[in-house]
Amino acid sequence: AQSVTQLDSHVSVSEGTPVLLRCNYSSSYSPSLFWYVQHPNKGLQLLLKYTSAATLVKGINGFEAEFKKSETSFHLTKPSAHMSDAAEYFCVVRSNSGGSNYKLTFGKGTLLTVNP
Amino acid sequence: SAVISQKPSRDICQRGTSLTIQCQVDSQVTMMFWYRQQPGQSLTLIATANQGSEATYESGFVIDKFPISRPNLTFSTLTVSNMSPEDSSIYLCSVGVSGDEQYFGPGTRLTVT
Repeated sequence: AQSVTQLDSHVSVSEGTPVLLRCNYSSSYSPSLFWYVQHPNKGLQLLLKYTSAATLVKGINGFEAEFKKSETSFHLTKPSAHMSDAAEYFCVVRSNSGGSNYKLTFGKGTLLTVNP
Repeated sequence: SAVISQKPSRDICQRGTSLTIQCQVDSQVTMMFWYRQQPGQSLTLIATANQGSEATYESGFVIDKFPISRPNLTFSTLTVSNMSPEDSSIYLCSVGVSGDEQYFGPGTRLTVT
């Protein structure tokens, strides 16, 4: 079984300040973890992924996430927010087991608001 | 990566009718998936559609309500049957390109009146 908990439904930051979107996961097997972004009326875009290589993962648009097995966390960060970062962000887990290949489980999402 | 298109992009339908959503990929892929995103909610997997086999449905979704076709490696359809207002959602298809990643179509926004 696998699950994802995004700890904040809404995060509001000022432009130029750091962004932290929190995600905890649960997985019976070694997981792959992803962050997707969904801009208003747009499709889902893959930001970054962790698949058992380096624990610090760099993605597009200056985002990065760190996989911490001891804390079962995969928080998304960015040093300086830009207005264009305002969107819904989804943390996603996939268990790497034979019975559930490719099945993704989505968190409930975090809405990021960036204030001028 | 893969480029995925969906038709229609949006539709308004009357209750009791059915709508078929098309998903087209620009390359051959083995696994395709259909998701539902209800208003203000996250994505929920409806079914996995592999070419040449019956679709595999997740708990809470049945073939009679959401029949799926997968005639070849670049195309799939999802039908939402006998619609009710509760079916108002965004329906998205996705494809598994590599061993880990899924790429998503732009979605079909369905409103049932």
